[in-house]
Amino acid sequence: NAGVTQTPKFRVLKTGQSMTLLCAQDMNHEYMYWYRQDPGMGLRLIHYSVGEGTTAKGEVPDGYNVSRLKKQNFLLGLESAAPSQTSVYFCASSRPQTLYSNQPQHFGDGTRLSIL
Amino acid sequence: AQKVTQAQTEISVVEKEDVTLDCVYETRDTTYYLFWYKQPPSGELVFLIRRNSFDEQNEISGRYSWNFQKSTSSFNFTITASQVVDSAVYFCALSEENTDKLIFGTGTRLQVFP
Repeated sequence: NAGVTQTPKFRVLKTGQSMTLLCAQDMNHEYMYWYRQDPGMGLRLIHYSVGEGTTAKGEVPDGYNVSRLKKQNFLLGLESAAPSQTSVYFCASSRPQTLYSNQPQHFGDGTRLSIL
Repeated sequence: AQKVTQAQTEISVVEKEDVTLDCVYETRDTTYYLFWYKQPPSGELVFLIRRNSFDEQNEISGRYSWNFQKSTSSFNFTITASQVVDSAVYFCALSEENTDKLIFGTGTRLQVFP
């Protein structure tokens, strides 16, 4: 019962470095999302994907890129990390919502990222 | 624009007290979905409930109950006879139709003291 798996769980970067966060889901979900969580601000959507090969911007997309080359994976990239990107990052996946089915978003355990 | 407001930043209660967490939302969609998630100190997000915009029935699950009122755009969450294990941050969220993007409130931190 893996569900949504995020890699890595923790990472410390220096300003200007790049890295990729990996999200993998084994539930055959069509939709995938990346959120960031900052103190006092709840979770905010960075990018999302409604299917393999498609991505779209969320509320706070600047400084991030994403790719969904395979249905089960959703990658979040930081090309040039900045201290403002210090946050906890959550990946989620789901099937499309319908009135008659209960399809919540399933979240990974989060990646704690610090940019020095 | 869609928005979720959780006006209570932090609530402290003593064990066995009842507590209600407020959630007010804004949307222009006719079809939408409302959620509550729990985030315990360990950090993961735990799904609690989903309601669609056409189902205003209240729901009870053990010590948890939810009151959805479209007339006031509210989806409040009540914990009866609170326990220390209920201590967590609780998020209310609204989902847009078609993309299912979640718009989260800023969360309410509940502390239950023995």
